[in-house]
Amino acid sequence: QKEVEQDPGPLSVPEGAIVSLNCTYSNSAFQYFMWYRQYSRKGPELLMYTYSSGNKEDGRFTAQVDKSSKYISLFIRDSQPSDSATYLCAMKERGGSNYKLTFGKGTLLTVNP
Amino acid sequence: GAVVSQHPSWVICKSGTSVKIECRSLDFQATTMFWYRQFPKQSLMLMATSNEGSKATYEQGVEKDKFLINHASLTLSTLTVTSAHPEDSSFYICSARQGTGGPQHFGDGTRLSIL
Repeated sequence: QKEVEQDPGPLSVPEGAIVSLNCTYSNSAFQYFMWYRQYSRKGPELLMYTYSSGNKEDGRFTAQVDKSSKYISLFIRDSQPSDSATYLCAMKERGGSNYKLTFGKGTLLTVNP
Repeated sequence: GAVVSQHPSWVICKSGTSVKIECRSLDFQATTMFWYRQFPKQSLMLMATSNEGSKATYEQGVEKDKFLINHASLTLSTLTVTSAHPEDSSFYICSARQGTGGPQHFGDGTRLSIL
């Protein structure tokens, strides 16, 4: 079992739809959770950064963390064609000076106008 | 804030050439920088972690003599691919982190093509 599982998709939705992206993980030491958006031929862009269970909202984006179920989600409301990209979940353990990110494989999202 | 600049964005060179890629944190001091490699439709694969003024820590299977990393200042790290061959062709991405906590911020990557 991989440490982080993420459905690669592809996921195709109409403009205005609510998008739900998910990752599960097996390492209970993961304490920090991130969502990155990566456009084609670009580096990942940080969207959300959370470290506690519950919801965190930023504009049209909501990150949800359920540590008891080892499950994280990213919701995109009123999706736009410009949201079309690959979304990567990432997580890391607490402590240590070099603690590394563990990434999911990424979900390719297409929002159709 | 938290801008990471990577240069060049694209390089094509002949087999046997050494290529240097720069990664700069523009508006913060990066205690730690990371170098990743990404193949098409794959996630990021960590190659090495570097702390300013220290030797880089390489991931298992990454040749440190092949991929030279220098992190001479809090705003600059370089990756040199020595004697590059076609199998080294890939998308290389750096990231930088301020302090010991906080998220990583990524550069826009360098597309390396070895002929």
